[in-house]
Amino acid sequence: RKEVEQDPGPFNVPEGATVAFNCTYSNSASQSFFWYRQDCRKEPKLLMSVYSSGNEDGRFTAQLNRASQYISLLIRDSKLSDSATYLCVVKGGPGTSYGKLTFGQGTILTVHP
Amino acid sequence: EPEVTQTPSHQVTQMGQEVILRCVPISNHLYFYWYRQILGQKVEFLVSFYNNEISEKSEIFDDQFSVERPDGSNFTLKIRSTKLEDSAMYFCASSLLAGGYNEQFFGPGTRLTVL
Repeated sequence: RKEVEQDPGPFNVPEGATVAFNCTYSNSASQSFFWYRQDCRKEPKLLMSVYSSGNEDGRFTAQLNRASQYISLLIRDSKLSDSATYLCVVKGGPGTSYGKLTFGQGTILTVHP
Repeated sequence: EPEVTQTPSHQVTQMGQEVILRCVPISNHLYFYWYRQILGQKVEFLVSFYNNEISEKSEIFDDQFSVERPDGSNFTLKIRSTKLEDSAMYFCASSLLAGGYNEQFFGPGTRLTVL
């Protein structure tokens, strides 16, 4: 089983649509969870951290279910500028106490006019 | 805003040659990392570095790889004898602290092409 698994997509949605991405992780001892965004041939950039209580940042809502080892990202009112690859990222767990990030394959989103 | 910088942006080398990829982390950060991303694949952890020594390394980080912080600002990744499969984007990252929700900031990457 992959350490962090995502639906690779691609997701093609019109502007204004709501889109949801899902992610599962295999290490139940993982401690911290993130969504990063990666534009084509660029570095990953932190979009938002994901907390157990769920959290929202503008049009973006992230949820974490530790029991199911499941993370989600919801984007409302999609903009053209949201087109990117969204990376589910997990940190921590046994033997990884020094900040190692484990990345999923990424989900490609294209928002069209 | 402070940022991580990397040089060169693109490095082309012949198989078997040594390469050194350079990074300048954010100045007050204490933890430093290298990741790589082969074209079309996921970002993979290579190594973390703290207090002038390796904290953790992945299976990818074999004897061909080494890291160094030669002065107070630079953080380097050396590949001693490059292979074709080393062709990838190499990202340096840094963070103030390692655990919890401390953010890792990534540099723009060095694209390594091994011919």
